[in-house]
Amino acid sequence: NAGVTQTPKFQVLKTGQSMTLQCAQDMNHNSMYWYRQDPGMGLRLIYYSASEGTTDKGEVPNGYNVSRLNKREFSLRLESAAPSQTSVYFCASKDAPGQGNYGYTFGSGTRLTVV
Amino acid sequence: QKEVEQDPGPLSVPEGAIVSLNCTYSNSAFQYFMWYRQYSRKGPELLMYTYSSGNKEDGRFTAQVDKSSKYISLFIRDSQPSDSATYLCAMGKTGTASKLTFGTGTRLQVTL
Repeated sequence: NAGVTQTPKFQVLKTGQSMTLQCAQDMNHNSMYWYRQDPGMGLRLIYYSASEGTTDKGEVPNGYNVSRLNKREFSLRLESAAPSQTSVYFCASKDAPGQGNYGYTFGSGTRLTVV
Repeated sequence: QKEVEQDPGPLSVPEGAIVSLNCTYSNSAFQYFMWYRQYSRKGPELLMYTYSSGNKEDGRFTAQVDKSSKYISLFIRDSQPSDSATYLCAMGKTGTASKLTFGTGTRLQVTL
């Protein structure tokens, strides 16, 4: 029972480089989310996908793009990394409303450092 | 002003103590409330979920919601060293694709 799997777990990028953070869930959840977690700022929503085929901006979308590849996978892309994007990134998923599982299931995170 | 305010701590208590963790919020549209526990270098995990004002109990944990005061609490009885973690409150509004707004988290240390 893997839940939500994020890759890679750690990454160091140089300013201006690009990369894609991968996320996959095996719980058949409809909704998927990308958050970043910074000291003193808590978890902030970057992008989300309410269902397969849809994506929407969250609170802090600038500098990021996302792709909901299929129901299982939701990737986050940094096109030109900046030091301000140094953070821990969490992917989460959630079942459809009314399915009884109200909370998110989180992955274990990707620690990204941009130098 | 942040929509959700949470004291960052750290909060240090002896084993066996009762712990009280709190959040306040400003948006009355929030209708469901959660507490997550996050161990160091791990993802948050859901601890408690409540939809309405009142109390909900699960083992040593009690979640309390007071919508009139826009205030939520998590109580931990008989605290254990294994409870040492960061506790995040989160809240959401219906009809918003289940997006959650999180507090900044309170770091708890339970000492022997």
